[in-house]
Amino acid sequence: EAGVTQFPSHSVIEKGQTVTLRCDPISGHDNLYWYRRVMGKEIKFLLHFVKESKQDESGMPNNRFLAERTGGTYSTLKVQPAELEDSGVYFCASSPAVFPYEQYFGPGTRLTVT
Amino acid sequence: AQSVTQLDSQVPVFEEAPVELRCNYSSSVSVYLFWYVQYPNQGLQLLLKYLSGSTLVKGINGFEAEFNKSQTSFHLRKPSVHISDTAEYFCAVNGQAGTALIFGKGTTLSVSS
Repeated sequence: EAGVTQFPSHSVIEKGQTVTLRCDPISGHDNLYWYRRVMGKEIKFLLHFVKESKQDESGMPNNRFLAERTGGTYSTLKVQPAELEDSGVYFCASSPAVFPYEQYFGPGTRLTVT
Repeated sequence: AQSVTQLDSQVPVFEEAPVELRCNYSSSVSVYLFWYVQYPNQGLQLLLKYLSGSTLVKGINGFEAEFNKSQTSFHLRKPSVHISDTAEYFCAVNGQAGTALIFGKGTTLSVSS
């Protein structure tokens, strides 16, 4: 069974540009999470989807970030316009809808904003 | 609010030595506790988890952790490390299954021969 996949693995963009990150969860997982790790800091939660609905978006830093989950399958995270402080590694995780809801992580997308 | 503190940012050890990676958490409610590992250029992989029951939890690759409620700790141990254990280790907590994980800053374990 395929794990969580993320695309691209790396992205380098200039300040003010737009970037879209994609996450494909494990098939059948209703829960999808986005996290971010800024260099030298802890991994921080961004938001949580249950199927196509946003269950918790308390970690989204500001309205430059837009997350969607089409049809409850893959998810995209768009940053528009990107700022220097958006640089970091963006992780996606998915979990099934049964206890203990173990989260399986993707390899991450490293975003560099110059 | 919950928080996690990993007391050591870097832990260098020699091969076959024992190791302990420390993790303390703060929470006003019961929690679920996790240790994840990230090998170079890979995603996070679950090492072990504490949900309830026995306070000594065994995980993959010979790792174990002990939940200590009175000390609010969940330290990770391995009696004899290998070069291949070189990685970054993250302690995490959540107060309700299925919700966001709260992570510590990570501990880089470097095993040398």
